[in-house]
Amino acid sequence: GQNIDQPTEMTATEGAIVQINCTYQTSGFNGLFWYQQHAGEAPTFLSYNVLDGLEEKGRFSSFLSRSKGYSYLLLKELQMKDSASYLCAVRKGGGGSYIPTFGRGTSLIVHP
Amino acid sequence: NAGVTQTPKFQVLKTGQSMTLQCAQDMNHEYMSWYRQDPGMGLRLIHYSVGAGITDQGEVPNGYNVSRSTTEDFPLRLLSAAPSQTSVYFCASSPGQGYVSGNTIYFGEGSWLTVV
Repeated sequence: GQNIDQPTEMTATEGAIVQINCTYQTSGFNGLFWYQQHAGEAPTFLSYNVLDGLEEKGRFSSFLSRSKGYSYLLLKELQMKDSASYLCAVRKGGGGSYIPTFGRGTSLIVHP
Repeated sequence: NAGVTQTPKFQVLKTGQSMTLQCAQDMNHEYMSWYRQDPGMGLRLIHYSVGAGITDQGEVPNGYNVSRSTTEDFPLRLLSAAPSQTSVYFCASSPGQGYVSGNTIYFGEGSWLTVV
């Protein structure tokens, strides 16, 4: 199976930087996703990492270390609209394992 | 382009009733799946399909049935609803194995189900 851990809740100030960590244990690895989910809405895709290193997309960056089973999502220049839940998901690969398993999500609250 | 469409958006059921949550995608995706989301539990996989005629169980399949007679449709059936099935249900689809830019999971808007 897969074990995915991320903090339950984080708070940060508008304009600041926040890092949301995700650790995982899995037999086989075929990529890690980050999704954003606002209350009452469906998750939306933020980033995908399959190789070690940093992927940058505007204010959002995602990092992966496969040897450590570790990823983080970095959000810069926080805005109030970034208040949401952030979901880490891991895909094992091979047949039905291409369907990702999700962590419990990190609720980010951005204060003025 | 409609993407992933699921219906109904809201439903109240009595214990023991049956119902079907509909899901359709118009992107010709191979993979479709159903998740449920409960407070503090994240998204948990109920059933999934890797192509028409092929379905398999996820993490929490009990009390649910699925079928995949066409590429487009993947309905989720609650056979005899129980209060424990009160949840938010998301249908999702993706192109299939491997990843190329843009190949990711697309979610429907969610179905809020209450069983009383």
